[in-house]
Amino acid sequence: SQTIHQWPATLVQPVGSPLSLECTVEGTSNPNLYWYRQAAGRGLQLLFYSVGIGQISSEVPQNLSASRPQDRQFILSSKKLLLSDSGFYLCAWSLTGKHQPQHFGDGTRLSIL
Amino acid sequence: AQSVTQLDSHVSVSEGTPVLLRCNYSSSYSPSLFWYVQHPNKGLQLLLKYTSAATLVKGINGFEAEFKKSETSFHLTKPSAHMSDAAEYFCVVSSLTDSWGKLQFGAGTQVVVTP
Repeated sequence: SQTIHQWPATLVQPVGSPLSLECTVEGTSNPNLYWYRQAAGRGLQLLFYSVGIGQISSEVPQNLSASRPQDRQFILSSKKLLLSDSGFYLCAWSLTGKHQPQHFGDGTRLSIL
Repeated sequence: AQSVTQLDSHVSVSEGTPVLLRCNYSSSYSPSLFWYVQHPNKGLQLLLKYTSAATLVKGINGFEAEFKKSETSFHLTKPSAHMSDAAEYFCVVSSLTDSWGKLQFGAGTQVVVTP
């Protein structure tokens, strides 16, 4: 069966510091991968998606970037964090093709001080 | 374009009573629809999915949903609420215009279960 791992579970960072969140998927090949942010009291916002190694699409302009160095690895990064980057970050994967459900990791709670 | 509206932001039920979470969708085509559940500080877990097969879909943990095209609805139900059902629930529609499977999430319904 497929599993998705996200780490760390919680992170407290000062403003202006860099960020690296990692997500890996096991048990499947060539998945679609996604990064979402969920701000307090708000819905899910899609940040990035990837349909293959090195292929990243950004949904919203922001202070963050994403990379996919390996087939089942997805990394969310920032060079300098802003206060507004605080939130709950979720990684997800899906099989390729339309109408496939996405399967989510347990998320990273990011607090910026 | 596809969209989804969850009609209740909060629902409170007593343990052992039925749960009804309402969702209406808008789509130019036959959509694929999903319900997810999110417990505090956890990721979203897929409860069930509708992909144009049977209109009554059974999911995990005793939940089921009925696709009604005439009413453009996909309401989630459970006959008897359990304390562990307290969570946030999201109704989701799959985009037909993106080959990579973009999902449109509803705003969520917070479910409170009282003893």
